[in-house]
Parts: sequence; structure tokens; C-alpha cells
Amino acid sequence: NAGVTQTPKFQVLKTGQSMTLQCAQDMNHNSMYWYRQDPGMGLRLIYYSASEGTTDKGEVPNGYNVSRLNKREFSLRLESAAPSQTSVYFCASSSQGRGLQETQYFGPGTRLLVL
Amino acid sequence: AQKITQTQPGMFVQEKEAVTLDCTYDTSDPSYGLFWYKQPSSGEMIFLIYQGSYDQQNATEGRYSLNFQKARKSANLVISASQLGDSAMYFCAMRGASGTYKYIFGTGTRLKVLA
Repeated sequence: NAGVTQTPKFQVLKTGQSMTLQCAQDMNHNSMYWYRQDPGMGLRLIYYSASEGTTDKGEVPNGYNVSRLNKREFSLRLESAAPSQTSVYFCASSSQGRGLQETQYFGPGTRLLVL
Repeated sequence: AQKITQTQPGMFVQEKEAVTLDCTYDTSDPSYGLFWYKQPSSGEMIFLIYQGSYDQQNATEGRYSLNFQKARKSANLVISASQLGDSAMYFCAMRGASGTYKYIFGTGTRLKVLA
């Protein structure tokens, strides 16, 4: 039981390049999330998927796209990377969303540097 | 709109002492859940404790307790008998029952435990 896994762990991009961050969970969770973490800003929600087949924008969606490939996998794509997207990216999942006590489980994070 | 405020960017505590990390929140949801997470220097996010808005008693998990004051909209984390391993970033988060599946995070408090 690996929990939430993310690839890659580190990535360096040049401005304008594209890349996809991969996330997978093996806990049969319905909901999945992508956050970015910047110093002094806490975690900000980029996109989330309440259930397979649905995606919604979070607080900072500009410059990103997502795909909920199946129940297990939720990918985040940067089509044209910008230095402002330098950050640590976390994927998270949680079980059936109606229970308020359902905590999120986080992946180890992807550290992205855009030059 | 929902909001979490953590006003202490950094805190110091002597080993074996207790420390309180502040968290205030704002929501119009009649029911909601409050969470605390720990992020050590290694970067992973670790769930610590949960408090439901209708819970009659304050939540406790080992050395962690949540001082929940609903009227004041505060959900402070109390760590008793601090240990060196408690040095980390601590995030307060909230999830409302308004039909979305989003979690809102505060900006965090960095705790340093002194030997």
C-alpha cells in the first residue's frame, strides 16, 4: 500500500517548456487534489477532482490543466512553464467527500524549478 | 468565502514545555471540519488531528489537542511536552459542508523546539 505517489520528485524546466506531473493513489479514494506550496503562502489549491470524470478549478488554476485519467490517477500539466510556476507541487486524495472528517493524504511532493 | 488565518509565522518553545499554535477561521457553513497538519523539513504532510464543528468535546490525539472555541472561530493546536522532533511547519485547514470537496489551508506556523 503505497498511498499517494508522485513523479517526478524534482524537475528543472526552461521557460516555455511543457511537462506533466503524475499522481496516483491506491486507497480507492474518490477525490484528488493538486496544490502548490510557496514560501509564506501555505498550500493553494490548483485543481481538484471530486470524483472520477469531474474536475474543478481551485484558487490558482491559471497556467495549468488537469486530467483525471481514472479513479487512481490525476495528472497536472503545465503547457508553457513560467518562472512564476517555480514551486513545490503536492497531490492529495481523500475518500468519499461527504464526511467532513475525511482527511487528505498527501504525496511526497514535486519540486519544480522553471528557469 | 472560507478563510483560515494563522498569525504566527514562527514560534519557539523549550523542550518539554507546552506550546499553542493559533488558528482562526471564517466560514458561513453551518457545519465544517478543522484539521491540523505537520510538515517536517523532509517535506511530507502529516495529518495530526481533526475537530468537527458539532463535536461537543475538544479533540485529542496523544500529545496534540485542539482548543476549539466555536464562538470565537478559533481552533488552536496545543502540543504538550514538546520534543525536538516537533520542530516543523504546522498548517491549519478547514473543510466546509457547502457541497464542495475543497480544503482551505492557512499560511502555516514554523515551530522550533529548543533543547
